[in-house]
Amino acid sequence: DAMVIQNPRYQVTQFGKPVTLSCSQTLNHNVMYWYQQKSSQAPKLLFHYYDKDFNNEADTPDNFQSRRPNTSFCFLDIRSPGLGDAAMYLCATSSQGGSSGSWPDTQYFGPGTRLTVL
Amino acid sequence: AQSVTQLDSHVSVSEGTPVLLRCNYSSSYSPSLFWYVQHPNKGLQLLLKYTSAATLVKGINGFEAEFKKSETSFHLTKPSAHMSDAAEYFCVVSEGTGGYNKLIFGAGTRLAVHP
Repeated sequence: DAMVIQNPRYQVTQFGKPVTLSCSQTLNHNVMYWYQQKSSQAPKLLFHYYDKDFNNEADTPDNFQSRRPNTSFCFLDIRSPGLGDAAMYLCATSSQGGSSGSWPDTQYFGPGTRLTVL
Repeated sequence: AQSVTQLDSHVSVSEGTPVLLRCNYSSSYSPSLFWYVQHPNKGLQLLLKYTSAATLVKGINGFEAEFKKSETSFHLTKPSAHMSDAAEYFCVVSEGTGGYNKLIFGAGTRLAVHP
């Protein structure tokens, strides 16, 4: 089945130690998103890739970076995790047209990676 | 700017009774609306979506939602709750711009189902 896969499902890191979360998809979607979801809150968009074009949300801290080496994979790098970065990180994908005014399409989410910072 | 308001942070029902989760939206044009469900420690699963084709939208697991433009509402219903429906539900509006759609999430409604 076509799907969005996130690895690992649970990640423990130490304060200040860089960590990378992974997302892959078999849907061949051209847009990939990373969300942060803290306990009992709605997901918050960090950034997204439209093909190879990176789009950062205005309030995403510089501590968060992303890479998309090819269509299928996208990585979230946290350069110096703080205690406040402990959260569930969700990857999502969608298939979008390129012209302005194209219909929004559905985002499909992976199972998430729960990050613990010690 | 578009927004959604989920009117109840918590809803508790008995198994076998109807479910109603309320959502109001604000949009300057015809919106795309979604309901997602999230079980504990899991990702978000799409329940249903509205994209102006029909005002009554049927989703998975017996859920449906009705788009009412006059009331700016998109409430989620299910005739008979099951224990497995206990989860967090998010009403979402899509802010479509050229190139991608940005999801605007409601705060969520936690549904509890009691035996």
